[in-house]
Amino acid sequence: GEDVEQSLFLSVREGDSSVINCTYTDSSSTYLYWYKQEPGAGLQLLTYIFSNMDMKQDQRLTVLLNKKDKHLSLRIADTQTGDSAIYFCAGTGNTGKLIFGQGTTLQVKP
Amino acid sequence: EAQVTQNPRYLITVTGKKLTVTCSQNMNHEYMSWYRQDPGLGLRQIYYSMNVEVTDKGDVPEGYKVSRKEKRNFPLILESPSPNQTSLYFCASSLSCIGGDTDTQYFGPGTRLTVL
Repeated sequence: GEDVEQSLFLSVREGDSSVINCTYTDSSSTYLYWYKQEPGAGLQLLTYIFSNMDMKQDQRLTVLLNKKDKHLSLRIADTQTGDSAIYFCAGTGNTGKLIFGQGTTLQVKP
Repeated sequence: EAQVTQNPRYLITVTGKKLTVTCSQNMNHEYMSWYRQDPGLGLRQIYYSMNVEVTDKGDVPEGYKVSRKEKRNFPLILESPSPNQTSLYFCASSLSCIGGDTDTQYFGPGTRLTVL
């Protein structure tokens, strides 16, 4: 079945760019998503990319999709302390379920 | 306000004592599902429902039951909870299972369950 892998931890300084990476095994996902989870909170959809796109930009967020390598990344420009959270990438399996990676904890140091 | 609500938000219980976590959405969504979140494992789907009276197993259904008698509600039932069901549970809903901009999954705030 589908497998989604992420590195578990990333630490950056405030103002720097953050790049969170994700690899997946099943190329049939129509959409790939990035969710953000702040401490003690639920999941918030940050952005998504349709599988026939290579890049999507939304304000400080840039999503890059390399279908050949099955690699997805989320770049956060000018990272702020409020960006500290766990970030999940997810693909869509059959039956509509979201298949999540393990989550990357982003730590932003002042 | 469009939302998914879950109750309770926190629950500590003992092994074998039946419990129900409620989930309700006010967006007239057809698709609802339950996930559990465990450290280092991300979120895994427990059960899902495509519509009223239509439910099916996700990846980790053992020890759980669900029902979908009404469109808005999708309760998660643990008939005999065990310590390995200690986890953070999320309910989610969407218009359908297609995905994308108009069909994103909305998540509830989560229920933290501890089974002693």
